[in-house]
Amino acid sequence: GAGVSQTPSNKVTEKGKYVELRCDPISGHTALYWYRQSLGQGPEFLIYFQGTGAADDSGLPNDRFFAVRPEGSVSTLKIQRTERGDSAVYLCASSPTGNNYGYTFGSGTRLTVV
Amino acid sequence: TQLLEQSPQFLSIQEGENLTVYCNSSSVFSSLQWYRQEPGEGPVLLVTVVTGGEVKKLKRLTFQFGDARKDSSLHITAAQTGDTGLYLCAGSGSSNTGKLIFGQGTTLQVKP
Repeated sequence: GAGVSQTPSNKVTEKGKYVELRCDPISGHTALYWYRQSLGQGPEFLIYFQGTGAADDSGLPNDRFFAVRPEGSVSTLKIQRTERGDSAVYLCASSPTGNNYGYTFGSGTRLTVV
Repeated sequence: TQLLEQSPQFLSIQEGENLTVYCNSSSVFSSLQWYRQEPGEGPVLLVTVVTGGEVKKLKRLTFQFGDARKDSSLHITAAQTGDTGLYLCAGSGSSNTGKLIFGQGTTLQVKP
C-alpha cells in the first residue's frame, strides 16, 4: 500500500482481556518495527522484524507481549491479560532494509484498558 | 543505556519568532533523526544527520549534528502556525538494527 496501515485505530478493552493489534507495512519493506508511546512521551522501542524473524525483541516489557510476522509482511502484536498500564498508542513503522533510513510510521492504535 | 534528553519540553511562541530545540546525550549515535508528530498521527521524518558537525536545511528549519555525534539541534526561523506540533529527536545506536531511541519530545505551539 501507499503507507503503513494500522488497525484498529482505537481499541478499548477490559483489564485481563486479550488484544491483537495489526500492522500492514509498505509493500516490499523488509524491516518492521513496533513502538509504544505513552502520553507526553517519545515512542519506546518494542520489537524489530527483519523478514519473518524477530531480530530484536529486547523492548518487549514482559511475556504478556508477543508479536509475529509469519509471511514477512503483515505483523500482529498480541497482548495477553491486559493491564491498565498497557494503555498507550502502539505505533508500527517499516523501512526498506534493516537500517534506520526510510522509516515510515503508521498512525498508530490507541489502546485503552479499563 | 542510551538516552536522549530534549529541551525545552514545551514551547509557546508568537508567529514570526525564532526558536531552537535541543537534543542531548552522553552517548554517541551513528545517526540522528528529527520527526514531527501531529495529534492522532504517527511521527513523520524530517531529516537524518549522519556526520559529526553536519548541518542540513529544510526551508525554514536548520538541523545540526554535534561534532562528537552526541547532540543535535533544530532551529526554526520565522515560525508559522503550521509548525505547531510535537518534535522528536531519535538516535540510532551501534547495533545497526534500525532500532531508534527517542527523546521525550518538544511540544511547540505557534500562536497567530
